[in-house]
Amino acid sequence: AQSVTQLGSHVSVSEGALVLLRCNYSSSVPPYLFWYVQYPNQGLQLLLKYTSAATLVKGINGFEAEFKKSETSFHLTKPSAHMSDAAEYFCAVSHLMNTGFQKLVFGTGTRLLVSP
Amino acid sequence: DGGITQSPKYLFRKEGQNVTLSCEQNLNHDAMYWYRQDPGQGLRLIYYSQIVNDFQKGDIAEGYSVSREKKESFPLTVTSAQKNPTAFYLCASSIRDGKRDTEAFFGQGTRLTVV
Repeated sequence: AQSVTQLGSHVSVSEGALVLLRCNYSSSVPPYLFWYVQYPNQGLQLLLKYTSAATLVKGINGFEAEFKKSETSFHLTKPSAHMSDAAEYFCAVSHLMNTGFQKLVFGTGTRLLVSP
Repeated sequence: DGGITQSPKYLFRKEGQNVTLSCEQNLNHDAMYWYRQDPGQGLRLIYYSQIVNDFQKGDIAEGYSVSREKKESFPLTVTSAQKNPTAFYLCASSIRDGKRDTEAFFGQGTRLTVV
């Protein structure tokens, strides 16, 4: 079964520091992988996605992620954190169901805290 | 603008009441989903629908019901059988590439509180 694991329920960085949010996946088929961001009391917004094209994926707000098959990882990075990046981040993988269709399976989320 | 609209944003339910959460999309997506979000537990799938007049139970369907009579609409009813309904509920729809969902779009959520 396809799944994702997000390491660290909370990550704290200083403004201007590197942001690194970790996501490892398991999948028996070539995966589609996603990162979403959620601000308080709002829905989820897509940051970026990997769908078997370039392994380094650039997203919105200066975020990027690299698909590493050998490490089964899809970590999210941003060179310099901004106060507005404080939010919860979810990694997701497409999951093959017994109906032959695929649905998204989400990790438990990582809350990013940014201090001045 | 295309998107997903959830209503209401806040909903209060008395013990023993059924309540229905609305979800409408104008993105022409076939697949729609309902998730429940609780602190520290991420998103858990309640129900999903791949096509009109068809829906499947997710991981936590007990105490919930849905219908999919129109492509645009996927309402969720929280019944009195759901013992702990206080949560944030998210509706989503997705683009499909063949048999695979490639991206999900989310509504702004409904926060349900039992009073």
